Amino acid sequence: GAGVSQSPSNKVTEKGKDVELRCDPISGHTALYWYRQRLGQGLEFLIYFQGNSAPDKSGLPSDRFSAERTGESVSTLTIQRTQQEDSAVYLCASSLVKVLTDTQYFGPGTRLTVL
Amino acid sequence: SQQGEEDPQALSIQEGENATMNCSYKTSINNLQWYRQNSGRGLVHLILIRSNEREKHSGRLRVTLDTSKKSSSLLITASRAADTASYFCATENSGGSNYKLTFGKGTLLTVNP
Repeated sequence: GAGVSQSPSNKVTEKGKDVELRCDPISGHTALYWYRQRLGQGLEFLIYFQGNSAPDKSGLPSDRFSAERTGESVSTLTIQRTQQEDSAVYLCASSLVKVLTDTQYFGPGTRLTVL
Repeated sequence: SQQGEEDPQALSIQEGENATMNCSYKTSINNLQWYRQNSGRGLVHLILIRSNEREKHSGRLRVTLDTSKKSSSLLITASRAADTASYFCATENSGGSNYKLTFGKGTLLTVNP
């Protein structure tokens, strides 16, 4: 079956521009996560969506970052007025309903480069 | 802040040898997970060990967990060149938002043919 997909795979933008990253979770997965991975580092949690509950935005680094999810499908992560320190790989993951601890399945990521 | 800290940062071995990577963490956890990341397949979940478990096996992988020392180890036996990747431990912390995973910086494993 199809896994988590993300687009674009690579994005190069100029400082100050807005970017929008997209994530398509695995069908039927109600939980969706966004992470950021800087070069040579581990993953930093950004935001979590679970069904119709209010998202947990506690990991978003600044108010330039926002994310939306329509129902239990596609999510978009928007970064406004991009800065060079936003350069990283942005990873999306999805998992089944959070009854027990569930494995998170990761997408291939979007590599963002801010010039 | 990083919860898990992997050790060593980099490890280079010959094909057929065993590879051991360690992870230490700071707070109480519900479970600890190991992930592998390489350019070909992205980030892949390998194994999950719960806080009440001490050892778990999956194929050539063996994971141990010592909650008293707040540490875990991942052993890969009979390594192959295809095992070359970065390996991350991730903890799901107990209390609060238990769906978040906190990742370490990873161990870069190179298996030489």
